[in-house]
Amino acid sequence: DIVMTQSPFSLAVSEGEMVTINCKSSQSLLSSGNQKNYLAWYQQKPGQSPKLLIYYASTRQSGVPDRFIGSGSGTDFTLTISDVQAEDLADYYCLQHYSYPYTFGAGTKLKLK
Amino acid sequence: EVQLVETGGGLVQPGKSLKLTCATSGFTFSIAWMDWVRQSPERQLEWIAQIKDKSNNYATYYAESVKGRFTISRDDSKSSVYLQMNSLKEEDTAIYYCTWAGSWGQGVMVTVSS
Repeated sequence: DIVMTQSPFSLAVSEGEMVTINCKSSQSLLSSGNQKNYLAWYQQKPGQSPKLLIYYASTRQSGVPDRFIGSGSGTDFTLTISDVQAEDLADYYCLQHYSYPYTFGAGTKLKLK
Repeated sequence: EVQLVETGGGLVQPGKSLKLTCATSGFTFSIAWMDWVRQSPERQLEWIAQIKDKSNNYATYYAESVKGRFTISRDDSKSSVYLQMNSLKEEDTAIYYCTWAGSWGQGVMVTVSS
């Protein structure tokens, strides 16, 4: 199974700051066939279902603000949130869907400082 | 608008069975690959099953933790996907979500306890 190591576990930020969340996979998620990384980022607010933010490591889902940026390739991936807003306080998860079983990172809780 | 609505959750004793249903609308279900994901009380997300479409022979895949106990199935005429859960254990207690292409249902709670 591919292990997804996500860090940090939690992060305290002030509005307007930039934050970085990391996800490292135990195997490459880059498909040689289409050169796409099978890595997605989800946001989950309290009491809600997870919401897709980023897919193929760097493609923003329709309607997601451009302050959410996904980057990385192979085994190392980053979600950057620039100019954090109060509405961004949530849990964030990475997901690899390169091979079965699909696996999630342990999550990062973004809190207000 | 894509909609995924899970039903069938509840409180069940260890060793018993439960069947979840996910009714969908807003997309072409017959060609969709559908997944079930669960979230433990500790908030950890776990992918548990996928079923592909007819052109892929309705192939199914499972997490090791549920293989042999859970069965995913679908009814294209009803745009619905199912999760039959047998031999339930206390560690199966979670919110169960139906997902498609990044869209998630609201989830349904399954509690396994004596």
